[in-house]
Amino acid sequence: QQQVKQSPQSLIVQKGGISIINCAYENTAFDYFPWYQQFPGKGPALLIAIRPDVSEKKEGRFTISFNKSAKQFSLHIMDSQPGDSATYFCAAVSDSNYQLIWGAGTKLIIKP
Amino acid sequence: EAGVTQSPTHLIKTRGQQATLRCSPISGHTSVYWYQQALGLGLQFLLWYDEGEERNRGNFPPRFSGRQFPNYSSELNVNALELEDSALYLCASSLRGQLNSPLHFGNGTRLTVT
Repeated sequence: QQQVKQSPQSLIVQKGGISIINCAYENTAFDYFPWYQQFPGKGPALLIAIRPDVSEKKEGRFTISFNKSAKQFSLHIMDSQPGDSATYFCAAVSDSNYQLIWGAGTKLIIKP
Repeated sequence: EAGVTQSPTHLIKTRGQQATLRCSPISGHTSVYWYQQALGLGLQFLLWYDEGEERNRGNFPPRFSGRQFPNYSSELNVNALELEDSALYLCASSLRGQLNSPLHFGNGTRLTVT
């Protein structure tokens, strides 16, 4: 079964630091890579997404870096804030194959 | 625009009973997805409905079933409940089958089986 491997499982970062979460995939048919953010008691919400024709996408403090040859992508949170404490899920999508594969999630805690 | 709504918020059942969970998608969305999220764990895909038809299902036993109504709302039924069915059940919606567009999630139904 195709997988998306997400690491680390949990992460503690000091306020103001950089949080980095990594994902790796296997299937080269994937063509859309979203990141979702989930707060306790809430459903996940789309945070940022990238397509493989670009190597980086930035939205505010959140950046996705994409390495097509290595089949890896990562989420960088700059100037991490306590309000960023949440669980983050990466995913890989092949729209033509109707596939959406989720990473296992990373619980991020930002220490004040 | 109203978001995805799920009901009930919490549901407590005993082992062997049946549970029915409901979901209303965002207006204009025809695809509804159901996920199971056990405590502290990831998102396990259950079912995908679009235009009233079941399009795909995850690796769950047949006692997990559902349907989609003409107004695109959906319900998830879990028969013969087992203790390990205790989890947060999330519903998401999207434009028809467009997985490369944002999935909009509801806040889930917390099912507790005792």
